[in-house]
Amino acid sequence: SQTIHQWPATLVQPVGSPLSLECTVEGTSNPNLYWYRQAAGRGLQLLFYSVGIGQISSEVPQNLSASRPQDRQFILSSKKLLLSDSGFYLCAWNQGGNTEAFFGQGTRLTVV
Amino acid sequence: QKEVEQNSGPLSVPEGAIASLNCTYSDRGSQSFFWYRQYSGKSPELIMSIYSNGDKEDGRFTAQLNKASQYVSLLIRDSQPSDSATYLCAVETGGTSYGKLTFGQGTILTVHP
Repeated sequence: SQTIHQWPATLVQPVGSPLSLECTVEGTSNPNLYWYRQAAGRGLQLLFYSVGIGQISSEVPQNLSASRPQDRQFILSSKKLLLSDSGFYLCAWNQGGNTEAFFGQGTRLTVV
Repeated sequence: QKEVEQNSGPLSVPEGAIASLNCTYSDRGSQSFFWYRQYSGKSPELIMSIYSNGDKEDGRFTAQLNKASQYVSLLIRDSQPSDSATYLCAVETGGTSYGKLTFGQGTILTVHP
């Protein structure tokens, strides 16, 4: 069966510090991978999606970037965090042709 | 702008009643529709998917889709306190080869004993 791992679960970072969140999927190959952000009391905003290694599409301009160095690995990064980057970050995957998406456990990021 | 609209609630129903959650979407080309349940502080959990007009039942859950009206709903029968959560409607956009999902803001459901 397929599983998705996302870490860390919580993170407190000072303004101006770098960020690296990692997500890996097991039990499937060539998944579509997604990063979403959920601000407090808000819906999910799609940040990045990837349909293959090295292929990244950005949905909104922001202080973040994403990379996919391996088929089942998706990384969200920032060089300098802003207060507005605080939120609940969720990695998700689905399989091409089947669009049911499954989420990792999420990372709650607080920028102070 | 492709949008998905939900009544944010909160929706409060007594235990054992039917909870009805509604969602409208703007992209007529959307083909796939999903309901997720999200408990406070947790990640969303897929509970229903629907692709064709009509009803789809799974246990106590029924999803209803009307593409002509651009409307999708979720009924929860025999509601239990454990159903208290935020329910997110998600609509596939961007073509089926990508499966990008656009989410509504979510409806907060409270089931009281």
